[in-house]
Amino acid sequence: EAQVTQNPRYLITVTGKKLTVTCSQNMNHEYMSWYRQDPGLGLRQIYYSMNVEVTDKGDVPEGYKVSRKEKRNFPLILESPSPNQTSLYFCASSSKPQPLAGGPGEQYFGPGTRLTVT
Amino acid sequence: GENVEQHPSTLSVQEGDSAVIKCTYSDSASNYFPWYKQELGKRPQLIIDIRSNVGEKKDQRIAVTLNKTAKHFSLHITETQPEDSAVYFCAANNRGFKTIFGAGTRLFVKA
Repeated sequence: EAQVTQNPRYLITVTGKKLTVTCSQNMNHEYMSWYRQDPGLGLRQIYYSMNVEVTDKGDVPEGYKVSRKEKRNFPLILESPSPNQTSLYFCASSSKPQPLAGGPGEQYFGPGTRLTVT
Repeated sequence: GENVEQHPSTLSVQEGDSAVIKCTYSDSASNYFPWYKQELGKRPQLIIDIRSNVGEKKDQRIAVTLNKTAKHFSLHITETQPEDSAVYFCAANNRGFKTIFGAGTRLFVKA
């Protein structure tokens, strides 16, 4: 079954304790992205990756790190989490769009990770 | 910076009526405009999208229109049903793959 998986689904942690949220897709997609969702703000892009070893900042990258060492995996790292990073996080992936088509095409989202930082 | 404004934030319609959600984008380089539906407690899912070389696209009860001159695009849902109740997000992309989402519209369809 084609899917995007995230782990953990729920996490409560304390300020300053490093954490990693994993994301994996089995669709051989080139494009992967991380978003955070907060009430009234919609989905805001944190980082995205167009292929292995190619990443770039989205709108709200501060306090986050990513890596793309393998095509299927795109972990999100919070080196020193703070309460303002309490949010619902989604990973998404997409196949390479047609030439000149623009954008990443249809993005398939993971189930979400609800993070609380106290 | 780039942004996407979405209106209204909440929309309540009677079953069978039409619903219209409007978005305006700021980056003139945007050329791909998807719409996502998110049901309560679930992940967003694509319902329709449009590229800048097309002015209108329809899929059964759902249609999207794009006005590149005005930097404006809209989602139209006809003959609404209770299962259409959800949060709808518009988004804009350019070839750089950076995705900007609107803040979302919570649609209630009353039976």
